[in-house]
Amino acid sequence: GAVVSQHPSWVICKSGTSVKIECRSLDFQATTMFWYRQFPKQSLMLMATSNEGSKATYEQGVEKDKFLINHASLTLSTLTVTSAHPEDSSFYICSARLAGGLSSYNEQFFGPGTRLTVL
Amino acid sequence: KNQVEQSPQSLIILEGKNCTLQCNYTVSPFSNLRWYKQDTGRGPVSLTIMTFSENTKSNGRYTATLDADTKQSSLHITASQLSDSASYICVVSSAFSGGYNKLIFGAGTRLAVHP
Repeated sequence: GAVVSQHPSWVICKSGTSVKIECRSLDFQATTMFWYRQFPKQSLMLMATSNEGSKATYEQGVEKDKFLINHASLTLSTLTVTSAHPEDSSFYICSARLAGGLSSYNEQFFGPGTRLTVL
Repeated sequence: KNQVEQSPQSLIILEGKNCTLQCNYTVSPFSNLRWYKQDTGRGPVSLTIMTFSENTKSNGRYTATLDADTKQSSLHITASQLSDSASYICVVSSAFSGGYNKLIFGAGTRLAVHP
């Protein structure tokens, strides 16, 4: 099946530093990847949609200069949290959609998530 | 407004018992409805995906139903196991022009299975 990995699985950083999270589709090509944020006991909130070779589309209220997204290849997208602050502490999850879609479902496959803690 | 509402918010059952989780949605245009299982600290894992023409779909002990007329779905778990303890998220995909789909997430039902 389609597998999506994330690295690192957890990270602790000091306030003011930048953190990069990688999202990889391991056995398929993904023209579109999505980044979500999830706070405790809440559901996933879409942050941005990342298309290979083009600029990401950010959801309303998400600062594009703070959450830098790069989708340089069909198997890799990165999210960089710049100048992280404690309120950025959250669970970040990526998902990837098969290039060309999967039948009529346009299914997204989710990564295992990255737990970010900013001290 | 596109919304997905799930009930109950949380549920505790004894191992071996059955349970049913509910999902009501007001999403248009509708593409498909998905149920995901999310273990604590992990990403969501797909259980079932149904289009409007599919009324029921099973995946092992999980059976999802969809009534596109009333815009309701349910997830039935049979003979629950301790490993079923997780959050179950109902997600509706809304289709837009150009093949772009937007996922609308429910808040999830937190299921705890006790021995």
